[in-house]
Amino acid sequence: GAGVSQSPSNKVTEKGKDVELRCDPISGHTALYWYRQRLGQGLEFLIYFQGNSAPDKSGLPSDRFSAERTGESVSTLTIQRTQQEDSAVYLCASSVRGETQYFGPGTRLLVL
Amino acid sequence: SQQGEEDPQALSIQEGENATMNCSYKTSINNLQWYRQNSGRGLVHLILIRSNEREKHSGRLRVTLDTSKKSSSLLITASRAADTASYFCATGPKAAGNKLTFGGGTRVLVKP
Repeated sequence: GAGVSQSPSNKVTEKGKDVELRCDPISGHTALYWYRQRLGQGLEFLIYFQGNSAPDKSGLPSDRFSAERTGESVSTLTIQRTQQEDSAVYLCASSVRGETQYFGPGTRLLVL
Repeated sequence: SQQGEEDPQALSIQEGENATMNCSYKTSINNLQWYRQNSGRGLVHLILIRSNEREKHSGRLRVTLDTSKKSSSLLITASRAADTASYFCATGPKAAGNKLTFGGGTRVLVKP
């Protein structure tokens, strides 16, 4: 079956603009995660969804970041008023029981 | 700060040799997972070891876990050029949701 997909693959934006990143998890996976990876570093947890609710938002770095999930499926991560330090690869993962997480290819965001 | 720290940060070996990398972590865990990442994009799940397990094998991979020392190791035997990648350990906490906390990764170069 299809894996986790993310769009766009790459996004270049200007400082101050808003961006939306999309994640389509594996069908039937109730848990969905967003992570951020800066160049040459490990992944930083951003937010976790169980179904459509987000019991853990502790990794969101500021109130410019928000995420939602609808229909226990697609999730959107929105970054408002982007800053240059937001440049990173944003990775989405999904899982069935919260153990093994299956990752999408990521969205590479560059803020000029 | 990151939960897991990998050692070494980079490793260069000849094809056919074994590659060993280590991961240390700080808090109690439910499981520890190893992932591989090629070219800075999506992560591929390699192996999961639970806190009550000491060793696990998968093909050419061997993972050990020492919860008393809060450390794990990943051994890749008979390495191939295709094993060139970054390898990350990630810990899953005992709390629900199992958001993963990643280390900084080990960059492995396998020379043909």
